[in-house]
Amino acid sequence: DVKVTQSSRYLVKRTGEKVFLECVQDMDHENMFWYRQDPGLGLRLIYFSYDVKMKEKGDIPEGYSVSREKKERFSLILESASTNQTSMYLCASRTGRPGANVLTFGAGSRLTVL
Amino acid sequence: KQEVTQIPAALSVPEGENLVLNCSFTDSAIYNLQWFRQDPGKGLTSLLLIQSSQREQTSGRLNASLDKSSGRSTLYIAASQPGDSATYLCASMNSGNTPLVFGKGTRLSVIA
Repeated sequence: DVKVTQSSRYLVKRTGEKVFLECVQDMDHENMFWYRQDPGLGLRLIYFSYDVKMKEKGDIPEGYSVSREKKERFSLILESASTNQTSMYLCASRTGRPGANVLTFGAGSRLTVL
Repeated sequence: KQEVTQIPAALSVPEGENLVLNCSFTDSAIYNLQWFRQDPGKGLTSLLLIQSSQREQTSGRLNASLDKSSGRSTLYIAASQPGDSATYLCASMNSGNTPLVFGKGTRLSVIA
């Protein structure tokens, strides 16, 4: 089975801290995505990447950055955490080949910023 | 810009009932449509993917249909069980390699 692993299920951080959320997939997928999910707002796309060292802004990139130095790893970085970044963060990956685009999600990382 | 809507936001049914979850989208030029399940506090699990050239897909008690001309997809769940209680989300992909656009989901409760 395809596996997308998010390194932390629960994190509690202080305002102003730098936060790293790590995501690793084991199926050689080209495409990787970071979403956040909030009640009433649904899933919102933060950043995505179609290949190593490539990144594209999603709908809400402000306050976030990403890194993709290796194909299997896509990291989300909060440079200076703020309370409005308290949320569930979901990483996902899929192949870049047409016709086989099932998106596979990790278990999620629940971040609380105090 | 594609918009995906799921109505109702919540649904409660007795065990054993057959039910239909609805998903509508504004741009009919989709590449595929996917249905996901999400349990509380967990990630999303893919249920079914329908390509734009297909009309439906089936997996066990689940059947998803796609009508591009009307901008609608439905997820049919037969003989519902309490274990089907979860939030169901649909998402469309508008070309071969673009990000999915998600609806906000329908929270289903199946009462024993």
